Amino acid sequence: NAGVMQNPRHLVRRRGQEARLRCSPMKGHSHVYWYRQLPEEGLKFMVYLQKENIIDESGMPKERFSAEFPKEGPSILRIQQVVRGDSAAYFCASSHGLNEQFFGPGTRLTVL
Amino acid sequence: GESVGLHLPTLSVQEGDNSIINCAYSNSASDYFIWYKQESGKGPQFIIDIRSNMDKRQGQRVTVLLNKTVKHLSLQIAATQPGDSAVYFCAEIVTGGSEKLVFGKGTKLTVNP
Repeated sequence: NAGVMQNPRHLVRRRGQEARLRCSPMKGHSHVYWYRQLPEEGLKFMVYLQKENIIDESGMPKERFSAEFPKEGPSILRIQQVVRGDSAAYFCASSHGLNEQFFGPGTRLTVL
Repeated sequence: GESVGLHLPTLSVQEGDNSIINCAYSNSASDYFIWYKQESGKGPQFIIDIRSNMDKRQGQRVTVLLNKTVKHLSLQIAATQPGDSAVYFCAEIVTGGSEKLVFGKGTKLTVNP
């Protein structure tokens, strides 16, 4: 009974490169959320997706960031042309729509 | 706007004592609240939740109290153990919308043996 899985756990990129973060929700969950956490801070909502649809992307920067949750496969958070300010922990959570969200272990992105 | 804040950033207690972690929220439309525990290097772990039609809910060694009049939430941990050391976040949701969680900054709980 696997929980939410994220990979990679750690990702190092140089400025200007692309970062791709993957999230596999819990079995049976069709709702995926992405959050960003800076050191010593709480998590900040980025985007909410259901299969093949973006429901709410109000927390995601308009430029360089995109997210998808295809019919098959994991959800992907993509950051193009990364900058140092993108360094953070990115958490994915999933639910089956009944409020409780289960979190993955996170991907820690470091931009050099 | 929506925001969730905490009264104390750090809390240090002795093993066996009871711990109380507080949280203030500002969105009166929020109707579902969750406490999460986050250990170093890990994702948030669900502890307990409460809906706005309740003022108290108990779990195993934990109790959540909700005071809607003053928009205050608290987490009580009984007989605190070293394994309880972590950062605790409260989060709120306005159900029926995007179901996104709005988190506070967190309280770091340290349990001294």
